[in-house]
Amino acid sequence: DTAVSQTPKYLVTQMGNDKSIKCEQNLGHDTMYWYKQDSKKFLKIMFSYNNKELIINETVPNRFSPKSPDKAHLNLHINSLELGDSAVYFCASSPKLSVTDTQYFGPGTRLTVL
Amino acid sequence: QQQVKQSPQSLIVQKGGISIINCAYENTAFDYFPWYQQFPGKGPALLIAIRPDVSEKKEGRFTISFNKSAKQFSLHIMDSQPGDSATYFCAARRSGYSTLTFGKGTMLLVSP
Repeated sequence: DTAVSQTPKYLVTQMGNDKSIKCEQNLGHDTMYWYKQDSKKFLKIMFSYNNKELIINETVPNRFSPKSPDKAHLNLHINSLELGDSAVYFCASSPKLSVTDTQYFGPGTRLTVL
Repeated sequence: QQQVKQSPQSLIVQKGGISIINCAYENTAFDYFPWYQQFPGKGPALLIAIRPDVSEKKEGRFTISFNKSAKQFSLHIMDSQPGDSATYFCAARRSGYSTLTFGKGTMLLVSP
């Protein structure tokens, strides 16, 4: 059983296009996140949602818009894709907004913008 | 501004040896320090974590050493195995927040 799943696993698209990445967790967690991992493997938080509400939005261009239709889903929509958006995007979840709760990561979506 | 500095960038260790990865932080508001392990093509997974009220935590072959006054913490992998070959990330979480600030990662290769 997959705890945190993402679709698609690979996404290749042209500059200027709009694309979405979907994330679902079946762990019953309250908090979900989007991270970006660049070509040098640096992991950076983009967004954090708690119970469908945005709680953290790091310095991310407003072309990126997360949407949480329910507690188990957090999708990422990207408008007007740019070359610099090429990266691996990870969704993660944790049980509740608490200091020591483990974050569980999905398998990642490798986005390539041509 | 890199809040968590990790070294080395890459590490090669012989099978059976000890792998040591170091991290340093500046922000004294950090109060939770996990280490994540990432295999190629997979998402990071929690390996071991520590709070600053203890100086050491051991789980099997993995040990975190924590030096609060120096604002440093390290991961020791004893009896390193080829299956330990992965990228390791230290991270820190600020008190009252849920998000993690990651170090830049260490690519560990354990040679047979």
